Amino acid sequence: KQEVTQIPAALSVPEGENLVLNCSFTDSAIYNLQWFRQDPGKGLTSLLLIQSSQREQTSGRLNASLDKSSGRSTLYIAASQPGDSATYLCAVHSSASKIIFGSGTRLSIRP
Amino acid sequence: DAGVIQSPRHEVTEMGQEVTLRCKPISGHNSLFWYRQTMMRGLELLIYFNNNVPIDDSGMPEDRFSAKMPNASFSTLKIQPSEPRDSAVYFCASKGLGSYEQYFGPGTRLTVT
Repeated sequence: KQEVTQIPAALSVPEGENLVLNCSFTDSAIYNLQWFRQDPGKGLTSLLLIQSSQREQTSGRLNASLDKSSGRSTLYIAASQPGDSATYLCAVHSSASKIIFGSGTRLSIRP
Repeated sequence: DAGVIQSPRHEVTEMGQEVTLRCKPISGHNSLFWYRQTMMRGLELLIYFNNNVPIDDSGMPEDRFSAKMPNASFSTLKIQPSEPRDSAVYFCASKGLGSYEQYFGPGTRLTVT
């Protein structure tokens, strides 16, 4: 059974710092890996989706990497801003339709 | 497009009452998903439909939970009777044919007292 773990559960950094969020999964037989952002009281917004054949995806200040063999993914945020404060969820696509979510990392950027 | 629409946004009910949550997927999407999010268990898939047909309901916690999709533009998740442990945020998501990306609605926050 696929399990997705995100460490740390919470992270607080000063504005302007670069940071890395970590995600690990137990079964390397995945379709894709996706990073979401969730603001308090809101739904999920997709940030990046990495297909199983890819190693990384970039969007603006965000870069996500995928290492299937080691069961790991990272989300790199460059030059962090207070608006980046949110919960970041890692999600593994175990099939074409089923997604297994991690418990999230709650990120706080201090002005 | 308005995105995935869910109603109500908030629901407070007493234990034993029937609760119906509603979802309108993005037009043209052929898959619809119901999730539940709690502090203890995180975000869990309850059930999903392809072309209005339930494909996997293994995440539905008990027989008290049921979901229907009578047409491509509407789905309901019903809890009868509701219990305090059903309190959670329920999300609906949809995706298009051939795509992996699911688009999430804003969720319904359910509180059962």
